Amino acid sequence: AQTVTQSQPEMSVQEAETVTLSCTYDTSESNYYLFWYKQPPSRQMILVIRQEAYKQQNATENRFSVNFQKAAKSFSLKISDSQLGDTAMYFCALTYNNNDMRFGAGTRLTVKP
Amino acid sequence: GAGVSQSPSNKVTEKGKDVELRCDPISGHTALYWYRQSLGQGLEFLIYFQGNSAPDKSGLPSDRFSAERTGGSVSTLTIQRTQQEDSAVYLCASSLAWGGGETQYFGPGTRLLVL
Repeated sequence: AQTVTQSQPEMSVQEAETVTLSCTYDTSESNYYLFWYKQPPSRQMILVIRQEAYKQQNATENRFSVNFQKAAKSFSLKISDSQLGDTAMYFCALTYNNNDMRFGAGTRLTVKP
Repeated sequence: GAGVSQSPSNKVTEKGKDVELRCDPISGHTALYWYRQSLGQGLEFLIYFQGNSAPDKSGLPSDRFSAERTGGSVSTLTIQRTQQEDSAVYLCASSLAWGGGETQYFGPGTRLLVL
């Protein structure tokens, strides 16, 4: 069974500062995929970043980067230079073959002006 | 191009009534997925389609739930004899292909409220 745990229900950060959201997971698969999705109040889930487990290099996407620790089964998201538009729910997700993507419970991030 | 669309955006129904939720995937996407998001919760996977076929329906919460996809495009999620616990946001996603960690693109969801 695959599980995803986000231990921070809520976080806040000052505009322009850096924040890190935590995610741990469990899977018996050796090759899998990890995602961070953002869900603003509009409800639409937006892909933030994607990581392939067989790639050791951490994925980056502009101000967003991950710290992927495969042995520790940890996949944290770092947001640099936080902007007001980053305020949203952030979900960590894990899938092996896409037919059963597992999501964490989410972290509500508030960026304060 | 157009993203994933879902209709209706919001649906209020009475307990015991049937509802149909519609999903239009991104053109050319062969895989389609349905999720349920209860208030303040993460997403619960319901079912996926590869083309018009749904190989595994075990994620559907009960036999009151069914889903179909026609023409490799539009999908409908039907809930019969709705119950109050069915109240949630139902999200649809599509991906270009199935498997291998293909990125799923989500629609805006349908918020269902069962009174």
